[in-house]
Amino acid sequence: RKEVEQDPGPFNVPEGATVAFNCTYSNSASQSFFWYRQDCRKEPKLLMSVYSSGNEDGRFTAQLNRASQYISLLIRDSKLSDSATYLCVVRSTGTASKLTFGTGTRLQVTL
Amino acid sequence: NAGVMQNPRHLVRRRGQEARLRCSPMKGHSHVYWYRQLPEEGLKFMVYLQKENIIDESGMPKERFSAEFPKEGPSILRIQQVVRGDSAAYFCASSPPERGRTEAFFGQGTRLTVV
Repeated sequence: RKEVEQDPGPFNVPEGATVAFNCTYSNSASQSFFWYRQDCRKEPKLLMSVYSSGNEDGRFTAQLNRASQYISLLIRDSKLSDSATYLCVVRSTGTASKLTFGTGTRLQVTL
Repeated sequence: NAGVMQNPRHLVRRRGQEARLRCSPMKGHSHVYWYRQLPEEGLKFMVYLQKENIIDESGMPKERFSAEFPKEGPSILRIQQVVRGDSAAYFCASSPPERGRTEAFFGQGTRLTVV
């Protein structure tokens, strides 16, 4: 089982649609969770951190369910500029607190 | 405060040559990560370093690859005797020394092409 698994893409949605991405992680001791966005041939950029209480940033809402080891990202009122690959990222604990990336889910928003 | 700086942005090497990739973390960051991304694939963890220490190199190929993060100067990812399969984008990220929910910031990457 992969450490971080995401929905296979691509998601093709019309402008204005609501789209949800899911992610599961295998290490129950994981401490920190993030969503990154990666545009074609560019570096990943932090979209938002994910907290147990859930958090919202404009049109983006992230949720964490520690019991199910499940993370989600909801995008409301999709814009063309939201087209990108969304990466679920998990940070482990302990000395080797590396960031582990999912393979990403590609979103294409169309007119 | 400059972001994570990687150089060169593009690097072309012939098979058998050495590739040296540099990463200067953000000011105040003492943790550096290297990731490799093959075309149309996800980011693969290679190595995690703190100043003068390799913390986790579980993603590094056993041969030809090495990394360092000296007390002074940038982190270096070195690939000896490059082969065509080494062609990829190599991203470096840095994060501050505090434990906890600290995100990492990425450089723009070095695109290595082996001809």
